[in-house]
Amino acid sequence: DQQVKQNSPSLSVQEGRISILNCDYTNSMFDYFLWYKKYPAEGPTFLISISSIKDKNEDGRFTVFLNKSAKHLSLHIVPSQPGDSAVYFCAASVQGNKLVFGAGTILRVKS
Amino acid sequence: DTAVSQTPKYLVTQMGNDKSIKCEQNLGHDTMYWYKQDSKKFLKIMFSYNNKELIINETVPNRFSPKSPDKAHLNLHINSLELGDSAVYFCASSPQRSSYNEQFFGPGTRLTVL
Repeated sequence: DQQVKQNSPSLSVQEGRISILNCDYTNSMFDYFLWYKKYPAEGPTFLISISSIKDKNEDGRFTVFLNKSAKHLSLHIVPSQPGDSAVYFCAASVQGNKLVFGAGTILRVKS
Repeated sequence: DTAVSQTPKYLVTQMGNDKSIKCEQNLGHDTMYWYKQDSKKFLKIMFSYNNKELIINETVPNRFSPKSPDKAHLNLHINSLELGDSAVYFCASSPQRSSYNEQFFGPGTRLTVL
């Protein structure tokens, strides 16, 4: 039973355009959500997070939106750059306990 | 200077063997983790240690035994390796045990069991 789902295995975007990566979850107790980015042959690195008391968090080109009623969050990257090409993992936790990860979405930004 | 390092990077071995993966962090963090990324690409927590004390132990076969000699090291020993153990194993660390803290991951160890 996968509590965090990333239904798009891959996404291809033109450089300079917006990338939107989506994540759905089933556990309504999740109160903290994170995005991690992973390059080949490296470990995931933290990108951005959001608490369930907020609906938006922004950090430079990266914005995460949370829709609790739909149990859905998304990561927006604007403008997309070739260096953003990586695997993006969505993760969630309950009260600071273990992280539950999705399967990841491969983002390819074409120049 | 690598923050979280794992050795070896690749490990190819026969079924039934015993192997270990080592992890070290030089960030001064209190908490360390082992994750498994299986063929379906999900990252799943296996174990977590806080100051050498086991705090998370997911439903993992007891052939897997973590060992933390000090808070900077968390090694993973696997007995009687099976084909299904083939995966990428990631070590991670964080300042404190709460998942509100950012976790820093090592580069991963790709284990292939033949």
